[in-house]
Amino acid sequence: AQKITQTQPGMFVQEKEAVTLDCTYDTSDQSYGLFWYKQPSSGEMIFLIYQGSYDEQNATEGRYSLNFQKARKSANLVISASQLGDSAMYFCAMREGMTGGGNKLTFGTGTQLKVEL
Amino acid sequence: GAVVSQHPSWVICKSGTSVKIECRSLDFQATTMFWYRQFPKQSLMLMATSNEGSKATYEQGVEKDKFLINHASLTLSTLTVTSAHPEDSSFYICSAPRKARDTEAFFGQGTRLTVV
Repeated sequence: AQKITQTQPGMFVQEKEAVTLDCTYDTSDQSYGLFWYKQPSSGEMIFLIYQGSYDEQNATEGRYSLNFQKARKSANLVISASQLGDSAMYFCAMREGMTGGGNKLTFGTGTQLKVEL
Repeated sequence: GAVVSQHPSWVICKSGTSVKIECRSLDFQATTMFWYRQFPKQSLMLMATSNEGSKATYEQGVEKDKFLINHASLTLSTLTVTSAHPEDSSFYICSAPRKARDTEAFFGQGTRLTVV
């Protein structure tokens, strides 16, 4: 069964607008971590934001925020005030378990975001 | 700045030859590193877990003899694609989590391998 689901293969957003990238996950673990990464055309994986399963507040990092709804098993990424440089592929990923050092990550299929003028 | 360095960033090799890719943690020790492969327009798929001082753990379907992993020091893991064939052409990327900060998992810059 797919553990990370990103249902939006592609998204368009106008510059300065906000955009939400969807991510749902499936796990039987009580402890897990959720990550979002940005992958520009160069291929590098840029860490954006992290949400732990026990974190009560939604994570925020600058223009990025994570809308964590644990009961629904969703961890949507919200990018506010989109910029042209935000155009990239975005991946949601999950780490099952919370042991220090980071276990292996399971990635979703990604969402290609295009920011338009 | 980068905390995980991967080299080379791209390589073209002839079919039948071997290619070595290095992954280094720059300012921390990494007893575990992860190697992923990404085909064009697809997601990252974990290939193996590299363990310092012991054998790597491979994911199902990944050939151990094809993809040799060596984690000889606390800051370096290498992936060697042996007897490369065109179907091995892909983007290979490593990850090295920092134990003190398990809320982040950093990736190298990736290596684009083309086998001709």
